Amino acid sequence: EVQLVESGGGLVQPGGSLRLSCAASGFTFSTYWMSWVRQAPGKGLEWVANIKEDGSEKYYVDSVKGRFTVSRDNTENSLYLQMDSLRTEDTAVYYCARDELSIHYYWGQGTLVTVSS
Amino acid sequence: EIVMTQSPATLSVSPGERATLSCRASQSVSSKLAWYQQKPGQAPRLLIYGAFNRATGIPARFSGSGSGTEFTLTISSLQSEDFAVYYCQQYNNWPWTFGQGTKVEIE
Repeated sequence: EVQLVESGGGLVQPGGSLRLSCAASGFTFSTYWMSWVRQAPGKGLEWVANIKEDGSEKYYVDSVKGRFTVSRDNTENSLYLQMDSLRTEDTAVYYCARDELSIHYYWGQGTLVTVSS
Repeated sequence: EIVMTQSPATLSVSPGERATLSCRASQSVSSKLAWYQQKPGQAPRLLIYGAFNRATGIPARFSGSGSGTEFTLTISSLQSEDFAVYYCQQYNNWPWTFGQGTKVEIE
């Protein structure tokens, strides 16, 4: 059974940093693209970033470029999102997803990031 | 960036009736269109990909159609568990973008 479990969310002040993790199990992690998708409270979905199977390609939505870094550790079956220079508009539930041909086929349950002073 | 527009914002339907949800892209996305269902407090779930292909385990009452810029998700006979928010997403052009969602509620 595919499982994706996010962690690392919490309350952080504007300008601060946070690192999210996503622990994957039930599939061969190293053979899939992975994505981060976020959802602000009461709002819709926004794709944030994704990373190729071997980590050699990464893509970001413009609003997080230069502030967020996606990475992975295939030996630990884990996906990460390093978030720096956080803004209040980054407040959201962050989901990790397993991609198949660019489709977010499986999703974790999400972790809440709140950016507030 | 491709803008995805869903209509209506809210759809009130009685159980057993048909629901038709629309999604329009600001430019052609070919058939690179997915539909997701999200219930309160839960993660989204993939329903349809490639405009009309049902994901694993999705009931046959869910069907997708369209190509280019106009897409439709049809739920043939609404069950109680189908009342949720539905999102379309294009994955033809970076960045991938979602519509704002259609809430299907009980009439």
